[in-house]
Amino acid sequence: EAGVTQFPSHSVIEKGQTVTLRCDPISGHDNLYWYRRVMGKEIKFLLHFVKESKQDESGMPNNRFLAERTGGTYSTLKVQPAELEDSGVYFCASSERGGPTDTQYFGPGTRLTVL
Amino acid sequence: AQTVTQSQPEMSVQEAETVTLSCTYDTSENNYYLFWYKQPPSRQMILVIRQEAYKQQNATENRFSVNFQKAAKSFSLKISDSQLGDTAMYFCAFMTARYGSRLTFGEGTQLTVNP
Repeated sequence: EAGVTQFPSHSVIEKGQTVTLRCDPISGHDNLYWYRRVMGKEIKFLLHFVKESKQDESGMPNNRFLAERTGGTYSTLKVQPAELEDSGVYFCASSERGGPTDTQYFGPGTRLTVL
Repeated sequence: AQTVTQSQPEMSVQEAETVTLSCTYDTSENNYYLFWYKQPPSRQMILVIRQEAYKQQNATENRFSVNFQKAAKSFSLKISDSQLGDTAMYFCAFMTARYGSRLTFGEGTQLTVNP
């Protein structure tokens, strides 16, 4: 069975440009999460989808970030306009049921560099 | 707010020896779970071990075990008989029932197993 996949693996953009990251969860996983790791610091939670609904978006840093999960399958995370401090690795994870007894499976991450 | 602290940015160990990675956390919650995740070089992050705060017994998964000291808010990971494949970034993480499925991570410890 395929794991969580993310596209692209790397993205280099200029400040002010727009970038869209994509995450394909494990088939059948209703829960999808976005996290990011900035400058070698801790991995921080961004948001959590249950199917197509945003269950928790308290970690989204500001309104330049827009996450969608149309149809409850794959998800996109758009950054518009990108700023220098948005550079980092963006991880997507998925899980079947949600909650602490359910395992979150992580994708390989997208490394975003904003110049 | 929950915080997770990993005070060892880098560690190394000789193959076949035992190493312990430290993690402390801070929370006012009573019902929570603790996790260790492992991210090998250029590979996906995977769950190594999970501990429920209400369980007195320390979790064990093959060569990986934890030392959970609830009063001290400490959750260390012991790797026995270290193997070259254990070389990875190790992240300690925390989750409460109150905050849904959000994982709070530490900054990570880079472990290198030397031949």
